[in-house]
Amino acid sequence: AQRVTQPEKLLSVFKGAPVELKCNYSYSGSPELFWYVQYSRQRLQLLLRHISRESIKGFTADLNKGETSFHLKKPFAQEEDSAMYYCAPQVSSGGSYIPTFGRGTSLIVHP
Amino acid sequence: GAGVSQSPSNKVTEKGKDVELRCDPISGHTALYWYRQRLGQGLEFLIYFQGNSAPDKSGLPSDRFSAERTGESVSTLTIQRTQQEDSAVYLCASSLPPGGGGYTFGSGTRLTVV
Repeated sequence: AQRVTQPEKLLSVFKGAPVELKCNYSYSGSPELFWYVQYSRQRLQLLLRHISRESIKGFTADLNKGETSFHLKKPFAQEEDSAMYYCAPQVSSGGSYIPTFGRGTSLIVHP
Repeated sequence: GAGVSQSPSNKVTEKGKDVELRCDPISGHTALYWYRQRLGQGLEFLIYFQGNSAPDKSGLPSDRFSAERTGESVSTLTIQRTQQEDSAVYLCASSLPPGGGGYTFGSGTRLTVV
């Protein structure tokens, strides 16, 4: 069965500390992986996708196929990073592309 | 429009009544998704539309739930005989031809069944 696990419901750090939000997936085939973010009172929005190998707002995520992980990292957290973060693998099945979302990790960055 | 628009933003209904939720995707986005998010939970896939293909209804939790989409435009999600466990935020997302790209989400409809 396809599963995505974000083991931490809440992650609390101080400003300037490194942060890592964990995501593990269990999928047949090769999923594409995304991270979405939802800031307070805003809608869910795309943060980054693994195929782009990009860094957005200082965040990066490396796909580790051996560990089936796609952890989101930032070396120095900022207060404005406080938000809900969702890992979302997507697999093509019969022409359908349906992303599955983890339950989310709430990141709180204290001043 | 500039983004995905959902209406109403909030809906309170009595148990047993039917409700209809609307999603207006970004113009030109052929793929449209409905998700449900219960309090403290992740996003639960409900249904997916892609162009004129038959929709993928595999996520609909019961036959009380149905959705329609007219061409590549507006979609409506209908919940019949609402139950208290239907209370959730219902999110709509759209994208260009799917796969590889991200999804643009609406702000959701918060449904409360009393």
